[in-house]
Formats: sequence, structure tokens, C-alpha cells
Amino acid sequence: KAGVTQTPRYLIKTRGQQVTLSCSPISGHRSVSWYQQTPGQGLQFLFEYFSETQRNKGNFPGRFSGRQFSNSRSEMNVSTLELGDSALYLCASSLVPGANVLTFGAGSRLTVL
Amino acid sequence: SQQGEEDPQALSIQEGENATMNCSYKTSINNLQWYRQNSGRGLVHLILIRSNEREKHSGRLRVTLDTSKKSSSLLITASRAADTASYFCATDSNNNDMRFGAGTRLTVKP
Repeated sequence: KAGVTQTPRYLIKTRGQQVTLSCSPISGHRSVSWYQQTPGQGLQFLFEYFSETQRNKGNFPGRFSGRQFSNSRSEMNVSTLELGDSALYLCASSLVPGANVLTFGAGSRLTVL
Repeated sequence: SQQGEEDPQALSIQEGENATMNCSYKTSINNLQWYRQNSGRGLVHLILIRSNEREKHSGRLRVTLDTSKKSSSLLITASRAADTASYFCATDSNNNDMRFGAGTRLTVKP
């Protein structure tokens, strides 16, 4: 079966712009988590969605938001981009929250100039 | 915030040698997992060990867990150049979302 699909894979934005990233989980997986990965901070938890509801949120400013659709696909949005938002954004899915094993997508590499 | 911390940050060994990576965490857990990441790609799940287990094997991988010390180790035996990657430990928080450490960068020289 198809894995976790993230689009776009690469994108370049300028400061002040906004960006939307998309994640399609494995078929049947209803929980989607987002992580930000940077060289200095490692993998930081952004948020988790299940049944179109945000279950948990990491320690990120309100510029970072997300949502999940009825087909379990998820999007995350970053508004008013800052240079420090440059990172690899990883999406992971699991059957349900607490199912423990996460399946990751290849990530979306965001560069903010 | 991160839950686990891997040690060392980087490790370089020759092919055929064993590689040991350590992970320490802060709060009680239900389980601990190890993931692998090839350069700039997504993470791949390697192995899960539950809090009531002390050791687990999967192929060339051996994981130990010491809940009294809040630590775990990942041993890769007879390493290969293809094992070159970053390795992360992950623990579940009280809310069941997974928190990752900063990772150990392993380089296996042919």
C-alpha cells in the first residue's frame, strides 16, 4: 500500500509569506502528527490530529496551525514566515493515537529567504 | 519539547565493528522506540521496547531498556556501510504523542 505522502517536497518562500504543507497518511491510518526538524533543535513535535480534531500541540507560536479532513489527510500552515522556520517538516501517521509506531513521509523541505 | 537525549551525538566506526548508541529520557514511559533516518529523508521505525521489557532483538539490532535509570541503548552488530544514518530514540508522553531526541549520527566506513 502507498506510504505517507507529503507535498510539496521542496519549496522556497520569503519572510512574511505563508505556506501550506500537505500530508496524506497511509490508507486506514486516522492519526497524523507533524514534526519540525532543524539541525540545531532536532525533531520538535508540532501537533497531532485524530478524527479532524487536534489532540496535542507542541510549544510553537500561533503562526503554526493545522487541520485534518474527513479523509484523514492533513495540512499545516505557517503564516508570517521567519528565517528560523527553515526546516524539514515531517508528517507521520498511525492507526490511532497511542498506536505507537509512526510511519513517516519523506518530508517537505522549506527554505525561507 | 524533546523527551529523549541520544549519546553520542556522532559516532564513526569501521565496517564490521559494533555500534552502540544511548538514549536517556526524563519522565515515565509506556514504551521506547528507535528510528533511523537517512540523510534528509523521513524516519523509519526500527524497534519498539515496552516499559516492562529489558531487552529486545531484531536481526542485527539489540535494544536494552533500564527504566530505573531512564535509559536505553541500541546496539548494531557487524555494521555495514549501509547502516550510515542518524538514529533517534522516541518516547511517548502522557498524551501519547511521540517525542524524539536529537539523534546520533552514525558513519560506517567501508
